[in-house]
Amino acid sequence: DADVTQTPRNRITKTGKRIMLECSQTKGHDRMYWYRQDPGLGLRLIYYSFDVKDINKGEISDGYSVSRQAQAKFSLSLESAIPNQTALYFCATSDLWPGGKDTQYFGPGTRLTVL
Amino acid sequence: RKEVEQDPGPFNVPEGATVAFNCTYSNSASQSFFWYRQDCRKEPKLLMSVYSSGNEDGRFTAQLNRASQYISLLIRDSKLSDSATYLCVVISSGSARQLTFGSGTQLTVLP
Repeated sequence: DADVTQTPRNRITKTGKRIMLECSQTKGHDRMYWYRQDPGLGLRLIYYSFDVKDINKGEISDGYSVSRQAQAKFSLSLESAIPNQTALYFCATSDLWPGGKDTQYFGPGTRLTVL
Repeated sequence: RKEVEQDPGPFNVPEGATVAFNCTYSNSASQSFFWYRQDCRKEPKLLMSVYSSGNEDGRFTAQLNRASQYISLLIRDSKLSDSATYLCVVISSGSARQLTFGSGTQLTVLP
């Protein structure tokens, strides 16, 4: 079984709809992240959480919200989806090794299309 | 200027060729550096860390040049299976330790 899972894997929705993307991990890591990937722009950080009580905005948090329901679960919401939120969304986890390696383990991604 | 910049490519090379990618970063206080590999429509996966002294893993060699603020990845004897997008990642210092990804360099190894 995959260590980091994302649901749904694909979603098509309409402008103005509320969407939730879910992420679960079995790696036991404290740190979880949400990224979006757009062609030519690479991965951009939306939100990150270093533990259940710690939520931080990333580079592009406007239009998004998150919830860290448990150490293993981190969900991303689009309250009112708009077409420029069409992208590939990745969840990731990491654990801060001694020395700060911070290797990111990614889920398989959710392809979201907003019409 | 982007914090982390990469030549997007594409780099099209024949099997067996040696190919090198560079990645420049703007934050001189950056602390940790990595190369990730991303296959088409898949998630990124860690390829290797980049150390000041340089490090090698089989056909792959990573180098860090702090004075010029760039990291490099060299692939020797390239294989068809090396075809992918290579992302450099820079971690800033401080309590936030935010990761910044480059936009990736696309490599296609041709038979």
